[in-house]
Amino acid sequence: AQTVTQSQPEMSVQEAETVTLSCTYDTSESDYYLFWYKQPPSRQMILVIRQEAYKQQNATENRFSVNFQKAAKSFSLKISDSQLGDAAMYFCAYRSDNAGGTSYGKLTFGQGTILTVHP
Amino acid sequence: DSGVTQTPKHLITATGQRVTLRCSPRSGDLSVYWYQQSLDQGLQFLIQYYNGEERAKGNILERFSAQQFPDLHSELNLSSLELGDSALYFCASSPIRTGPGGITEAFFGQGTRLTVV
Repeated sequence: AQTVTQSQPEMSVQEAETVTLSCTYDTSESDYYLFWYKQPPSRQMILVIRQEAYKQQNATENRFSVNFQKAAKSFSLKISDSQLGDAAMYFCAYRSDNAGGTSYGKLTFGQGTILTVHP
Repeated sequence: DSGVTQTPKHLITATGQRVTLRCSPRSGDLSVYWYQQSLDQGLQFLIQYYNGEERAKGNILERFSAQQFPDLHSELNLSSLELGDSALYFCASSPIRTGPGGITEAFFGQGTRLTVV
């Protein structure tokens, strides 16, 4: 079974600064996807960024980028130029790409990291 | 707006009761997933349906059941409710896998907050 670990229960950052959220995962599969979801106080789950395991290039979405280390099974999220609206709970998630497997499609989440942004 | 609709948004009920949570997936999405978010267990996968058939089961209690109807909407039934069942229940949907570069993420509804008193 796959597991996802976020070792930072809480993080804080000053507005306009950069912060990195950590995530490690454990899997025996070679094909999978990784995601970062944001959950603001409204509780809505919002996709921030995704990474395909077969791609070596790290994904980037505006101020959000990842550092994907497949061999180390590490998937960190970097938020640049932090804004007050970035304050939320962030979840790292894993999804198998094994279409014949019983876990195909479902997401396995880490425990989450609460990000506070100070003005 | 993710396109996934969950009703109701809030539900308060007593222990021992039964409730039904409803989910309408994004137009065209065949897969529906149910997740439970509680303070002590985090976000846990409960069950997945694909085009009306159960595809995968996670940590779903026997008191809980789900189904997906021909119009692809899904319902999660929770019975003999206990205080510990109080949580936020999310429904998510995703399309058929479209290959490299296709949509791979799940789209989440706003959740149903269930409070058992």
